[in-house]
Amino acid sequence: TAGITQAPTSQILAAGRSMTLRCTQDMRHNAMYWYRQDLGLGLRLIHYSNTAGTTGKGEVPDGYSVSRANTDDFPLTLASAVPSQTSVYFCASSQQGTGELFFGEGSRLTVL
Amino acid sequence: AQSVTQPDIHITVSEGASLELRCNYSYGATPYLFWYVQSPGQGLQLLLKYFSGDTLVQGIKGFEAEFKRSQSSFNLRKPSVHWSDAAEYFCAVVPAGTALIFGKGTTLSVSS
Repeated sequence: TAGITQAPTSQILAAGRSMTLRCTQDMRHNAMYWYRQDLGLGLRLIHYSNTAGTTGKGEVPDGYSVSRANTDDFPLTLASAVPSQTSVYFCASSQQGTGELFFGEGSRLTVL
Repeated sequence: AQSVTQPDIHITVSEGASLELRCNYSYGATPYLFWYVQSPGQGLQLLLKYFSGDTLVQGIKGFEAEFKRSQSSFNLRKPSVHWSDAAEYFCAVVPAGTALIFGKGTTLSVSS
């Protein structure tokens, strides 16, 4: 079973360019999340969606946008990338109310 | 604001020795509590969770955790560590109606 699929697994991006990280789940979970992981800072929530058609801001939402057109997909967009957005990005999903997250393998983004 | 503190950034234990990783949370009510493990280059995997009831919870890979309301703690333990347990461990909480908030993580090294 695929679970959570993220793409790309790794990307180098020039500052000022836009980028969309893709995330797809096949578990029919209603909630989805984007986290970034940085050394010494742990995982920080960027945006989340409790159900299709709704999104919310997490701890570090600035410079990122998300959409949730359907249950399965939750893309994360960087409109104009900056070097401070260099990080490993994890998408996750859960059945709302359980709190148990299932994670993708991560997308490593380097902004130069 | 809700927060999760993992006081130990890095811990080294000998193989076969016991392990305790500390986690404290700041929240008015009892949140859902979790421990996740991340092996190098991989996503996070759920070790165990506490919602309510028995304050000692058992997880996978021989781990257990004890919820202590008076200390706002949810420490992770294992009686005998194996070299394969070397990884990064994250404590997390779910305040009502929101997404997981993670601690900054504790890196576990296992010496032979």
